[in-house]
Amino acid sequence: AQSVTQLDSQVPVFEEAPVELRCNYSSSVSVYLFWYVQYPNQGLQLLLKYLSGSTLVKGINGFEAEFNKSQTSFHLRKPSVHISDTAEYFCAVRPLGSARQLTFGSGTQLTVLP
Amino acid sequence: KAGVTQTPRYLIKTRGQQVTLSCSPISGHRSVSWYQQTPGQGLQFLFEYFSETQRNKGNFPGRFSGRQFSNSRSEMNVSTLELGDSALYLCASSLAATQNTGELFFGEGSRLTVL
Repeated sequence: AQSVTQLDSQVPVFEEAPVELRCNYSSSVSVYLFWYVQYPNQGLQLLLKYLSGSTLVKGINGFEAEFNKSQTSFHLRKPSVHISDTAEYFCAVRPLGSARQLTFGSGTQLTVLP
Repeated sequence: KAGVTQTPRYLIKTRGQQVTLSCSPISGHRSVSWYQQTPGQGLQFLFEYFSETQRNKGNFPGRFSGRQFSNSRSEMNVSTLELGDSALYLCASSLAATQNTGELFFGEGSRLTVL
């Protein structure tokens, strides 16, 4: 079984400041890792994913994440946030294999302040 | 390319009723998954269908069921609705199992309110 912990439920940050959203996971098997974003009244949109290879993954909208196997972490970062980045962010894992079941963290509400 | 389409977007039911939600995946996607999102429990996996077969099921009571048709469209049904079933129900589609990129594409969801 897998579990995902997002350490911060709410992160307020000023516009143009850097931000890091933290994610730790636990799994007895190898997993793929994902970050999704959800804007109000919308579904989930994939920001980035780690499947294999380089541990630094770049995604859309200037976001990046680094996979750290020893610390079982997959933190999301952006060097300079915009008001439009205000949304809820979800970290998720999926075990290797054909099944598509994602285990999500509880989410982090990022609020960018002017 | 059209995205994942879910209908209806909003609906209100009363306790004891049943509801059917529909999901049309992205063209060519054969895997469809359903998730329930609530403020208290977050995002929880309901089930996954692939080629009309349920491949995986989450920890939900038997009142929650689903099916997939030959054109990959999927429906989920909740019978004997309870207040706690009020939630956003998200459908996600992905490519066939042999293309194991792992990416799920989500619809905008069906928001169910049970009174």
